[in-house]
Amino acid sequence: DVKVTQSSRYLVKRTGEKVFLECVQDMDHENMFWYRQDPGLGLRLIYFSYDVKMKEKGDIPEGYSVSREKKERFSLILESASTNQTSMYLCASSLDRQGLDINQPQHFGDGTRLSIL
Amino acid sequence: QKEVEQNSGPLSVPEGAIASLNCTYSDRGSQSFFWYRQYSGKSPELIMFIYSNGDKEDGRFTAQLNKASQYVSLLIRDSQPSDSATYLCADSQNSGGSNYKLTFGKGTLLTVNP
Repeated sequence: DVKVTQSSRYLVKRTGEKVFLECVQDMDHENMFWYRQDPGLGLRLIYFSYDVKMKEKGDIPEGYSVSREKKERFSLILESASTNQTSMYLCASSLDRQGLDINQPQHFGDGTRLSIL
Repeated sequence: QKEVEQNSGPLSVPEGAIASLNCTYSDRGSQSFFWYRQYSGKSPELIMFIYSNGDKEDGRFTAQLNKASQYVSLLIRDSQPSDSATYLCADSQNSGGSNYKLTFGKGTLLTVNP
C-alpha cells in the first residue's frame, strides 16, 4: 500500500512565524502535491512537483513556498504565517503517466490541521 | 479556471438503497476522473477512477462516464451507514507539457439512514 506520511496531525503557530509542513512518501512516486481544504471551498491546490527540485504553482500559491530536495520528501513552507492560513493541509503523491494514456490517482496523507493564532 | 461541479447535498438515502452521486466538468480535454470518499476529519481515500466512456464496476460501486455530456457519476448499491461520508469528484487537467493536475469538486455529503 502507498504510504504518505505528514509530520504532524495538529500544529499551532503564531502570526509571523515561519512554518514548515513535511510530507514523505514511500512508493517512489514522481509527483507530489500540497492542498489546503476549507469548509465550503473544497480542496485547493497550492503547489505541486513532478521531479526533484522541480515545482509548479497551483491555484493558490500566494504566501507559500515549497522544497523538494529528495524524491520522497516534499515540504510546504509558510514564509510568514497569517491567520487566514489556518486550515487543513493535505499532501498527496502519484506515479507519473509512464507513457500511458491515463493519469494515475493521487494518494493522500492523513493531513495536518494548522492553527495560526 | 476549469471547474468540477457537484451538488453539495446532503443526499440522504435509506440503508439498502442505491445512492447516486453526480458530477459535471467543464474541461473537454479532461481524460481521467476520480472518485474519493472522505470521512469527517479524515483525508480523502480513492474509491475508483474511470477514463473510458461507459460503466466501470467495483463491488458495490459503479462509476459512469459520458464525455459527450461532460458528466460522471458514482452509484453505490446496497448503501450502508458506513458509506456516510463526503464524496469528492476530480478530473485530471493538463497543466503544461505532459504534466497533469487534479481539480476537485467541493463534494457531496451522503447520509445513509439505518
